Amino acid sequence: ELKVEQNPLFLSMQEGKNYTIYCNYSTTSDRLYWYRQDPGKSLESLFVLLSNGAVKQEGRLMASLDTKARLSTLHITAAVHDLSATYFCAVDTIEETSGSRLTFGEGTQLTVNP
Amino acid sequence: DTGVSQDPRHKITKRGQNVTFRCDPISEHNRLYWYRQTLGQGPEFLTYFQNEAQLEKSRLLSDRFSAERPKGSFSTLEIQRTEQGDSAMYLCASSSWGHRGYEQYFGPGTRLTVT
Repeated sequence: ELKVEQNPLFLSMQEGKNYTIYCNYSTTSDRLYWYRQDPGKSLESLFVLLSNGAVKQEGRLMASLDTKARLSTLHITAAVHDLSATYFCAVDTIEETSGSRLTFGEGTQLTVNP
Repeated sequence: DTGVSQDPRHKITKRGQNVTFRCDPISEHNRLYWYRQTLGQGPEFLTYFQNEAQLEKSRLLSDRFSAERPKGSFSTLEIQRTEQGDSAMYLCASSSWGHRGYEQYFGPGTRLTVT
């Protein structure tokens, strides 16, 4: 059974600081997604990582994927308050059934303090 | 707005009642997914459809749960004889193959409270 673990689960940081969220998964997959969720809202897609070594950047967020290590990272640069939210990584199933279920991590609740 | 829509957004029901939720996917998407999310947790997969065919069901989907997508467009999720443990946010997502793989786009969710 595919397991996805994120750490940390809670992250409180000051504006202007950098930090990295880690996402480990237990079985082979080369499709990983990062989502953002604001309180009481649905999930917003941030990044789609479809191959080993993929790196995507959008504003102050950068995501990478290492399929050999089964690890993805979400790096936050010079955090601002607007980034406060819960961030989820999600892993697609193995290749022959890709595009079916996503298995989500528990989420990282990020709070950026002024 | 051409995103995924869900109805109702909130539902409060008494234990033992049946409830039905509707999801309208993005029109050109052939895949539709249902997930359940409880407070403080990530979404958990329930089931998915490709067109009108239900291709996979999670073991979380007990006999009290049934999902349909009769014409390959909208989908319904019915919960019979609701229990307090069914209280959760029910999320629908849709996708289609593209340059971002099978990226799933989520609807706003239906929050179910069973009293």
